[in-house]
Amino acid sequence: AQTVTQSQPEMSVQEAETVTLSCTYDTSENNYYLFWYKQPPSRQMILVIRQEAYKQQNATENRFSVNFQKAAKSFSLKISDSQLGDTAMYFCAFKGTYKYIFGTGTRLKVLA
Amino acid sequence: DSGVTQTPKHLITATGQRVTLRCSPRSGDLSVYWYQQSLDQGLQFLIQYYNGEERAKGNILERFSAQQFPDLHSELNLSSLELGDSALYFCASSYRTVSSADTQYFGPGTRLTVL
Repeated sequence: AQTVTQSQPEMSVQEAETVTLSCTYDTSENNYYLFWYKQPPSRQMILVIRQEAYKQQNATENRFSVNFQKAAKSFSLKISDSQLGDTAMYFCAFKGTYKYIFGTGTRLKVLA
Repeated sequence: DSGVTQTPKHLITATGQRVTLRCSPRSGDLSVYWYQQSLDQGLQFLIQYYNGEERAKGNILERFSAQQFPDLHSELNLSSLELGDSALYFCASSYRTVSSADTQYFGPGTRLTVL
């Protein structure tokens, strides 16, 4: 069965610092997609970044980047120059042939 | 704003009742997905429709059902409600089916409280 694991329930970071959120997954599929979604206190689910498994290059979106290690089945999210608005729950998600599977989330708090 | 709309925003009802949650996907999107998020939990995939047909099923209870209409909006019906059904229900949409690469975009959710 496919699983997504986020082993850090909560993290905090000082404003302007860098933080890395971890995500590991398990699958026997070769073609799949990985996502990070952000859920701020408003509870809206917002796409942060997406990575195609067939691409070796790590995805980057402004201050957000991923470290995708396909062999290790690891997909971490790095947030640079953290801002107060980054305070949110972050969910890692896997999409294979069928349904999406979400991790349990990491609650990130950015401290002023 | 993702372009996905959900109504109502909040719903308070009693145990044993039935409710209907509505979702309108982004313009042009053919797939609709329903998720349940209980308090401080991750998202549980319930069901997916593509162009009116059911395409994938997750952990959806028999008391729950859904459909997608010709205009592509979708409704999630929850019946014989229990206290444990209290949750945030999200709808998401994408252009193609779950087996393709399309990203899901989420609506703002409907918060259901069962008293």
